[in-house]
Amino acid sequence: QKEVEQNSGPLSVPEGAIASLNCTYSDRGSQSFFWYRQYSGKSPELIMFIYSNGDKEDGRFTAQLNKASQYVSLLIRDSQPSDSATYLCAVNSYNNAGNMLTFGGGTRLMVKP
Amino acid sequence: DAGVIQSPRHEVTEMGQEVTLRCKPISGHNSLFWYRQTMMRGLELLIYFNNNVPIDDSGMPEDRFSAKMPNASFSTLKIQPSEPRDSAVYFCASSLGPGVSTDTQYFGPGTRLTVL
Repeated sequence: QKEVEQNSGPLSVPEGAIASLNCTYSDRGSQSFFWYRQYSGKSPELIMFIYSNGDKEDGRFTAQLNKASQYVSLLIRDSQPSDSATYLCAVNSYNNAGNMLTFGGGTRLMVKP
Repeated sequence: DAGVIQSPRHEVTEMGQEVTLRCKPISGHNSLFWYRQTMMRGLELLIYFNNNVPIDDSGMPEDRFSAKMPNASFSTLKIQPSEPRDSAVYFCASSLGPGVSTDTQYFGPGTRLTVL
């Protein structure tokens, strides 16, 4: 059973702070990793993906991947109240039949003004 | 691009009735996914198709659920008969398809189903 684990939160940070969201996964064959943001009552929307060890930056967002530790994280710099949402980690265990994503339960982030 | 289109956006029905959810994937995408989301169980993959062929339906909860993809631009998820425990938000997502390790899924707006 492939598992993706996230702390459900809520994670509360003050406006302007760095929010750190963490995710662990069980399948060592996993190849790519996705972060989605989901506002209440809305559908998940892609923030970014990462597939190489290390850091990947996109604006205020940085994804970090450590395959040896089976750990992926998302850092949000200068957090804004508009960042308040649930963040879903998803792991792709690519195979020839297709690309399935296994989602974690999500971490609810609250950014307080 | 219009994105993934789902209909209806909201559905309220009575137990025992048949429910049909519809999805139009992004043009040019070869993979289509049906998910169900509840507070208790989170986001669960029900079934996915590659090139209109069902690849994995192990997430379909029971025989009351069925899904079809008659062509590249249309898919349905049917529940017959519906039960109150089927109440959830059902998402459809599409992606370019196998062969791309960073294949990204794009989600539709979802259908909120309430079974009374």
